[in-house]
Amino acid sequence: DAKTTQPTSMDCAEGRAANLPCNHSTISGNEYVYWYRQIHSQGPQYIIHGLKNNETNEMASLIITEDRKSSTLILPHATLRDTAVYYCIVNRSGGTSYGKLTFGQGTILTVHP
Amino acid sequence: DTAVSQTPKYLVTQMGNDKSIKCEQNLGHDTMYWYKQDSKKFLKIMFSYNNKELIINETVPNRFSPKSPDKAHLNLHINSLELGDSAVYFCASSQDDLIMNTEAFFGQGTRLTVV
Repeated sequence: DAKTTQPTSMDCAEGRAANLPCNHSTISGNEYVYWYRQIHSQGPQYIIHGLKNNETNEMASLIITEDRKSSTLILPHATLRDTAVYYCIVNRSGGTSYGKLTFGQGTILTVHP
Repeated sequence: DTAVSQTPKYLVTQMGNDKSIKCEQNLGHDTMYWYKQDSKKFLKIMFSYNNKELIINETVPNRFSPKSPDKAHLNLHINSLELGDSAVYFCASSQDDLIMNTEAFFGQGTRLTVV
């Protein structure tokens, strides 16, 4: 699975958009970009995933560059409850390798009032 | 209802003891996992089971033995506990579909402390 690089930490003001970048320059054609987050003392929570098109759901938007070497997770209106560690993960589609999520150190997002 | 539930939430035990952590999912998924999060907060997969069969074993010591009595349960039994086993253990499940990608659902974790 491709390796990802994320900033160690970021801050965001409550109500503003939080833009979390991720580099995955070695991503291959059949690998998806996944985002999970882990709020303190809880299990990881799925946010969104995509292959090459931009994706949006009720939690966030995912913008993937045309060359697929980087992506940005956007939380449009961050709240204090969005304070968490955000993990960008690249994973192959399907098969028995699915679920072997390789978590890096992630980005600690702190949303402040 | 909790989708993926683990018990116990906290477990404190002495070195050398044998303990089990239970995991159950009510999502109808056919794949379940155990992850370990160490003191440095790195999350690493330990095991993966698909339809009760082991498909991933990430060089975990033999003291760790997962048991899957049915698709909805994946228990983790640990023999001869060592100090280094202290960590938070997360159970997860997913619908392993060869065509569609889906997400993994995680339990709330079991904090194991070996003293």
